Amino acid sequence: EPEVTQTPSHQVTQMGQEVILRCVPISNHLYFYWYRQILGQKVEFLVSFYNNEISEKSEIFDDQFSVERPDGSNFTLKIRSTKLEDSAMYFCASSVIGVDGYTFGSGTRLTVV
Amino acid sequence: RKEVEQDPGPFNVPEGATVAFNCTYSNSASQSFFWYRQDCRKEPKLLMSVYSSGNEDGRFTAQLNRASQYISLLIRDSKLSDSATYLCVVNVITGGGNKLTFGTGTQLKVEL
Repeated sequence: EPEVTQTPSHQVTQMGQEVILRCVPISNHLYFYWYRQILGQKVEFLVSFYNNEISEKSEIFDDQFSVERPDGSNFTLKIRSTKLEDSAMYFCASSVIGVDGYTFGSGTRLTVV
Repeated sequence: RKEVEQDPGPFNVPEGATVAFNCTYSNSASQSFFWYRQDCRKEPKLLMSVYSSGNEDGRFTAQLNRASQYISLLIRDSKLSDSATYLCVVNVITGGGNKLTFGTGTQLKVEL
C-alpha cells in the first residue's frame, strides 16, 4: 500500500535554531498538507499546498514557517527560529483530489529545548 | 462553539460489546466526513468515510445527518485491538482550498 514517508522520526533542537522536516507524499497525489499535534491535544491544520503554491494556511502558520516542494517529490516544512511551544508531532499528509480522505505520514516528533 | 465536538471518553467496554460514538460539527460548509483512528503517538489512519445514506465496513457502521450536523460511529463485537482514539473529522472547502478539521477524539478501551 502506498505511504507517505517522513524524516526524521524524531528531531531535538535548541530554541532559536532552524529545522527542516521532510516528507515524501504518495506519488500520484496532488494535494499536500502539514498538521501538528501537541501532546495531549487535537490534530491542528497548518498549511495546504497545491499546484506549487500554498492554498490555505492557519493562524499557527506565521512568518516563522515555510513550505517548499523543491524537486517534485519532497515536500518540506521549515521552521526558521524554533520556540519551546513548537514542540509537537508534525504530520505530513497527501490526497488525490482534496475532498477525499488524506493519507498521513508517521510523523516527526519535534522537541525544542 | 467548537468546530468539531466529541465526547473525549474514555469508553471502557468489555470485549464483544457494541459501542457508539457521536460527533457534531458547526460549519455547514463541511463537504466530506470521516472517522479516523489514532493509536497512542501514531499518525491518524482513515477508518472510513461517512455518507448520509449510512455506510458499513465489517463491524463498523457510520452515519451522517447533515440537517443536525451530526455524525456517528457504531462498533459491533468490539475487539481488544479496537482500543484506540477515534477522531471525527470534517473536510471544509475554503476560499483557498480545503482542510480537514479534527475533533479532540474519543478514547476507547476494550477490556477482557
